[in-house]
Amino acid sequence: SQTIHQWPATLVQPVGSPLSLECTVEGTSNPNLYWYRQAAGRGLQLLFYSVGIGQISSEVPQNLSASRPQDRQFILSSKKLLLSDSGFYLCAWSVTSTSSEAFFGQGTRLTVV
Amino acid sequence: GQSLEQPSEVTAVEGAIVQINCTYQTSGFYGLSWYQQHDGGAPTFLSYNALDGLEETGRFSSFLSRSDSYGYLLLQELQMKDSASYFCAVRGNQGGKLIFGQGTELSVKP
Repeated sequence: SQTIHQWPATLVQPVGSPLSLECTVEGTSNPNLYWYRQAAGRGLQLLFYSVGIGQISSEVPQNLSASRPQDRQFILSSKKLLLSDSGFYLCAWSVTSTSSEAFFGQGTRLTVV
Repeated sequence: GQSLEQPSEVTAVEGAIVQINCTYQTSGFYGLSWYQQHDGGAPTFLSYNALDGLEETGRFSSFLSRSDSYGYLLLQELQMKDSASYFCAVRGNQGGKLIFGQGTELSVKP
């Protein structure tokens, strides 16, 4: 069966520090991968999605970047965090780019102080 | 681009029926999905409509009208555990990105 791992679960980082969040999927090949951010009480904002290794589409210009160094690994990074980067970050995957269902990791709650 | 609109909150009592509406705008359409998210948790998939009509999955049903760019999630025999946020979602043109609405917070009262 397929599983998605996302870590860490919580993170407190100072303003200006770097960020690296990792997400891995097991039990499937060539998944579509997504990074979302959710502010408190708000919807899911799509940040990046990837249909294959090295193929990253950015939805919102900001100081975040994403990379897919391996088929089932998706990394969200920042060189210098801003206070506004605080939020709940969710990684997700789907079988294809038109799949009806996406599967989410447990999320990382990031607080920038 | 794509956008979705749904009510921000809905309140209902245990045992009742509640309907959460969603209207969408998208240049391509690969179906309307619904997700549930409990406080602090990850969203989980509930239902999906690619064609017009009603899809039933236990106490939850979902409806789609492509001509109206409209769908709804129907929750029957509400239980306290149904208190959560509910999101509708669509895929963009040619698939790929999956866009979510702002979510509807459902509060079920005793």
